[in-house]
Amino acid sequence: QSALTQPASVSGSPGQSITISCTGTSSDVGGYNYVSWYQQHPGKAPKLMIYDVTNRPSGVSNRFSGSKSGNAASLTISSLQAEDEADYYCSSYTSSSTLVFGGGTKLTVL
Amino acid sequence: QLQLQESGPGLVKPSETLSLTCTVSGGSISSSTYYWGWIRQPPGKGLEWIGSVYYRRSSFYNSSLKSRVTISVDTSKNQFSLNLTSVIAADTAVYYCTTGGPLRPLDYWGRGALVTVSS
Repeated sequence: QSALTQPASVSGSPGQSITISCTGTSSDVGGYNYVSWYQQHPGKAPKLMIYDVTNRPSGVSNRFSGSKSGNAASLTISSLQAEDEADYYCSSYTSSSTLVFGGGTKLTVL
Repeated sequence: QLQLQESGPGLVKPSETLSLTCTVSGGSISSSTYYWGWIRQPPGKGLEWIGSVYYRRSSFYNSSLKSRVTISVDTSKNQFSLNLTSVIAADTAVYYCTTGGPLRPLDYWGRGALVTVSS
């Protein structure tokens, strides 16, 4: 199972919006609404930010939103804040009953 | 609030078996609510799903690791464990225990345990 494709890095200024893409195939992202997004600060465990494409767990800021079109999912962060600087990973359920991650995207807040 | 904590040796020799345990507090390991799983992250690299189990129902494993991995549940201790056999240097990673996977979100995570494979 190949990893999902994410950009290695994205950047934005405080107050701006950014979008991170996550591209897969019809056997994973495109075939199921089981896409999740995780935020990981250095030296910390990842934190669930979005699940089932669009849903936010309790306690996650509504500045974080998710979407999907075809074989690609996206995470959008609006009103960017310094604390959003972190690595972001997408994941998807696959037709082989496995879980696959993207390679990760480093978000830099300028 | 569910809490997970990994424990086990930080150093394993090549060809030996890596064994880690995850202790669950704030909830029952035999609950039908949760899947229990393991994720690893090599130093400086991305996340890799190892596998997940749904107590007394089913197990799911990463196909690239399936021949070497077993995840088991111990209800008497409210723990679940990871065994990875015939380890090599490439198995060096931070290992996280989680709830969820493969179709459920990984909503609770342990702090992670670094395991180094070296002679």
